Amino acid sequence: GAVVSQHPSRVICKSGTSVKIECRSLDFQATTMFWYRQFPKQSLMLMATSNEGSKATYEQGVEKDKFLINHASLTLSTLTVTSAHPEDSSFYICSAPKSGGAREQFFGPGTRLTVL
Amino acid sequence: AQTVTQSQPEMSVQEAETVTLSCTYDTSESDYYLFWYKQPPSRQMILVIRQEAYKQQNATENRFSVNFQKAAKSFSLKISDSQLGDAAMYFCAYRSLVFGNEKLTFGTGTRLTIIP
Repeated sequence: GAVVSQHPSRVICKSGTSVKIECRSLDFQATTMFWYRQFPKQSLMLMATSNEGSKATYEQGVEKDKFLINHASLTLSTLTVTSAHPEDSSFYICSAPKSGGAREQFFGPGTRLTVL
Repeated sequence: AQTVTQSQPEMSVQEAETVTLSCTYDTSESDYYLFWYKQPPSRQMILVIRQEAYKQQNATENRFSVNFQKAAKSFSLKISDSQLGDAAMYFCAYRSLVFGNEKLTFGTGTRLTIIP
């Protein structure tokens, strides 16, 4: 298999502050990464596709100015939640497809964000 | 756009018995991938099994097998000899083969409980 890490695993912040979440592919390169949001007892909803060296592609209804995505290298994508509000509290998960065959996606362990 | 439907929010099964989780999907594409993912309480997404639509043979992985009915757009997961460690949320997912459209579309999930 392959390993994708996320940092931090948990973060608590105050309303109005910004929070950065990192997603790293540890043993493979990923030109594309995906960011999902998961509310309690619900499914994963794709927020955006992160593209190395170019702008991210956001899903309909996702505010690109609020959820800033930067894919700085072939192993790192970051999601910054700007001016966070309590309704942004959620579980954020990233995934990265590994080249070859079915290009299986490997998931990070997720980041739980709590905005007070 | 593709949609994935899981009509069973919750299922339970006696340990060592067999259980089948249902999934239907809608697409106009002829080639695609279908997946079953497991999300245990740790929230880490784990790939259980994958099916390529162009393959008629149903995929199997040890105690896990699928019943893929392409014409009916049905993709059920059978878990044989259920074990306590199988308790988790199970998500059915669709992925296009169109270049640049690798995102996963998830169903709403089925929570599986194993009864000792």
